[in-house]
Amino acid sequence: DGGITQSPKYLFRKEGQNVTLSCEQNLNHDAMYWYRQDPGQGLRLIYYSQIVNDFQKGDIAEGYSVSREKKESFPLTVTSAQKNPTAFYLCASSIRAGGTGELFFGEGSRLTVL
Amino acid sequence: AQSVSQHNHHVILSEAASLELGCNYSYGGTVNLFWYVQYPGQHLQLLLKYFSGDPLVKGIKGFEAEFIKSKFSFNLRKPSVQWSDTAEYFCAVNFNQAGTALIFGKGTTLSVSS
Repeated sequence: DGGITQSPKYLFRKEGQNVTLSCEQNLNHDAMYWYRQDPGQGLRLIYYSQIVNDFQKGDIAEGYSVSREKKESFPLTVTSAQKNPTAFYLCASSIRAGGTGELFFGEGSRLTVL
Repeated sequence: AQSVSQHNHHVILSEAASLELGCNYSYGGTVNLFWYVQYPGQHLQLLLKYFSGDPLVKGIKGFEAEFIKSKFSFNLRKPSVQWSDTAEYFCAVNFNQAGTALIFGKGTTLSVSS
């Protein structure tokens, strides 16, 4: 089945540690996205990538980093510089950037900083 | 800045009541419009979408939405809700600029009592 796979589903981290969230898609989509979901805040865009080896900052990129070395993969690193990293992180993809905008989502990764 | 507003943070209804969730966006140009739903413990899924044509669009599970360009609105409706409609609902807009991602509203939590 085609889809988006995020791992891990749950992750605990100590303050000061970096952590990387995985996102893999087998939909052959060009564009991939990372959103952060907090209660009452909706989804806020962290980073997005239109093609391999290219990515752009979203509204809340500070304290995060990404890479796009392969079309299928768009990992997100939450660095120690992110002041409030506890959140639910959603990865999504779309057929191409600048298209209709319809997104397909993974099941999410819940990060808790202890 | 482009933005999406959802008027209701939490809506509580009894089964068989009618539902209308408001969504307004800030931009005056061409847009693509979406409603996504997140059932408890599940990933975000597309409820319905509008790109062009008939401004009244029908989605899954009896939901519909009406695009009113003059009001920059895309309200979601359902004539008779069911307990299984309990979920969080997100309005999202693609502002039709190449390379931009969907912008989401803050979401509306719908609680339906049986």
